[in-house]
Amino acid sequence: QSALTQPASVSGSPGQSITISCTGTSSDVGGYNYVSWYQQHPGKAPKLMIYDVSNRPSGVSNRFSGSKSGNTASLTISGLQAEDEADYYCSSYTSSRDWVFGGGTKLTVL
Amino acid sequence: EVQLVESGGVVVQPGGSLRLSCAASGFTFDDYTMHWVRQAPGKGLEWVSLISWDGGSTYYADSVKGRFTISRDNSKNSLYLQMNSLRTEDTALYYCATSSRGRYYFDYWGQGTLVTVSS
Repeated sequence: QSALTQPASVSGSPGQSITISCTGTSSDVGGYNYVSWYQQHPGKAPKLMIYDVSNRPSGVSNRFSGSKSGNTASLTISGLQAEDEADYYCSSYTSSRDWVFGGGTKLTVL
Repeated sequence: EVQLVESGGVVVQPGGSLRLSCAASGFTFDDYTMHWVRQAPGKGLEWVSLISWDGGSTYYADSVKGRFTISRDNSKNSLYLQMNSLRTEDTALYYCATSSRGRYYFDYWGQGTLVTVSS
């Protein structure tokens, strides 16, 4: 199973919005509404930010939102804050009954 | 508070074996599917294996199939990963993670245990 495709890096200024894309195939992202997003700060464990494409777990800021169109899912962070600087990974369940992750996107808050 | 604490990571030679453990607390362990996910140094995340709440179903990534075995002991709130025929490419930080039953995402993660395969 090939990794999902994410941009290596994105950046934005405080207060701005950014979007991270995650492209897969009809066997994963396009075939299931089981896309999730994880935030990982350096030296820390990943943290669930979005599940089932667009749902936020309790405690996650509503500045984080998710969507999907065809084989591409997206994570949008609005009102960027310094604490949002981290690596972000998308993940999808697949038709092979396993999970695939994206390669990760490093978000820099300028 | 949910806590997942991995242990057992060490330096091991290629071809060697290792058993990782994950001690769970703060939640009803047998309500959850459990996973192992790994992260090679400086690299992204890779799903490794899943075990159902009762241990009756297990799944593996192709990269570890036939070499790794996942198991759990619900009486001890513990998850395990038996790793055999280790390769240098298995070098990674190994996380245990939970999924609520019938869910396809990873709710909670441990801090990881580092496995280094090197001669």
